[in-house]
Amino acid sequence: GQQLNQSPQSMFIQEGEDVSMNCTSSSIFNTWLWYKQDPGEGPVLLIALYKAGELTSNGRLTAQFGITRKDSFLNISASIPSDVGIYFCAVPETSGSRLTFGEGTQLTVNP
Amino acid sequence: EAQVTQNPRYLITVTGKKLTVTCSQNMNHEYMSWYRQDPGLGLRQIYYSMNVEVTDKGDVPEGYKVSRKEKRNFPLILESPSPNQTSLYFCASSMGQGIQPQHFGDGTRLSIL
Repeated sequence: GQQLNQSPQSMFIQEGEDVSMNCTSSSIFNTWLWYKQDPGEGPVLLIALYKAGELTSNGRLTAQFGITRKDSFLNISASIPSDVGIYFCAVPETSGSRLTFGEGTQLTVNP
Repeated sequence: EAQVTQNPRYLITVTGKKLTVTCSQNMNHEYMSWYRQDPGLGLRQIYYSMNVEVTDKGDVPEGYKVSRKEKRNFPLILESPSPNQTSLYFCASSMGQGIQPQHFGDGTRLSIL
């Protein structure tokens, strides 16, 4: 499968701070996905990006599909305690048959 | 309620004792997949199925088998489990191909002693 490099691996922030994480690859993709995994649960899709340069928001979350199609960014504004979890980027292979995930960013928010 | 259900949620067993983790979805999804999650490695795909009787290997298929006899079920079989298969396993499903948003189950934590 494809290799995705996600950073940072972990973040410890104070409530109210903004958060930024990213995912890069040496390959070009036509779709970038961002998932969040709450403790003890399965990942849930947050945002799907289908077009290079696209900027999409979902509440306090904003994700961007890099113009080179080799990267994507996720920003969380004014973090709250329930933002705690692991955030994953993911890309499908061209055929759509397989989904490759990044290693994840573990987010901790201190009240 | 639309959901992906895995059973069991937790299992501790011994090396070599065959086990099956079941996965069922009620959304009439064509695509189903199994992942394992290990610290620092994210989720890695084990097997996937595009439709009934159609399965294929993911990135880490060794030591696992699957079957897709019915659309709603996609069991994961470990014929002879080994300690390196101790992990957190997730089943997922989606409409059509894998680029569609995938719905994940709540996970099965396996410990192989």
